Amino acid sequence: GQSLEQPSEVTAVEGAIVQINCTYQTSGFYGLSWYQQHDGGAPTFLSYNALDGLEETGRFSSFLSRSDSYGYLLLQELQMKDSASYFCATSGSARQLTFGSGTQLTVLP
Amino acid sequence: AAGVIQSPRHLIKEKRETATLKCYPIPRHDTVYWYQQGPGQDPQFLISFYEKMQSDKGSIPDRFSAQQFSDYHSELNMSSLELGDSALYFCASSLGAGISGNTIYFGEGSWLTVV
Repeated sequence: GQSLEQPSEVTAVEGAIVQINCTYQTSGFYGLSWYQQHDGGAPTFLSYNALDGLEETGRFSSFLSRSDSYGYLLLQELQMKDSASYFCATSGSARQLTFGSGTQLTVLP
Repeated sequence: AAGVIQSPRHLIKEKRETATLKCYPIPRHDTVYWYQQGPGQDPQFLISFYEKMQSDKGSIPDRFSAQQFSDYHSELNMSSLELGDSALYFCASSLGAGISGNTIYFGEGSWLTVV
């Protein structure tokens, strides 16, 4: 099976940079994804890493180290609207995405 | 652009009743997923379909069943409902396997309350 661990809560101020870490254990590994979810809303895809290294998409970047079974999501120039839950997710099989327990990010003014 | 459509958005059922949730994936997407998310929990994978055939199965109770129809819409049937089934149920779809980094798009979810 798959298990992913991430911090339950992170707090930062507007304009700051925050990093959300994720460690995983999987029986098979097909890349690490990141999703954002606002309260009561649908998870929204943010980023995906199949290979080691950094992927940058605007203010968001994601990093993967397969040898360390570790990844992180980096959010820059934080805005109030970034307050949400962030999930790392991975797959051990073709059409099954397993989510971590989620990190609640609170952005303070 | 068309998104994943779920219905109903909200429903209230009594214990031991049956509920059916419907999902209309994004046109031309070949994979449909169902997730259950309890309050404060992460989305739990239930089941997925590829080209109308069941693909992967997660923590779906035996009381639940799902299928995908010829028009690609999918339904999640839940019987003998229990209080613990109260949750937000998401349907999602993708073109190609999600493991390849193909974006999985989620619907807005169906809120099920069992009383």
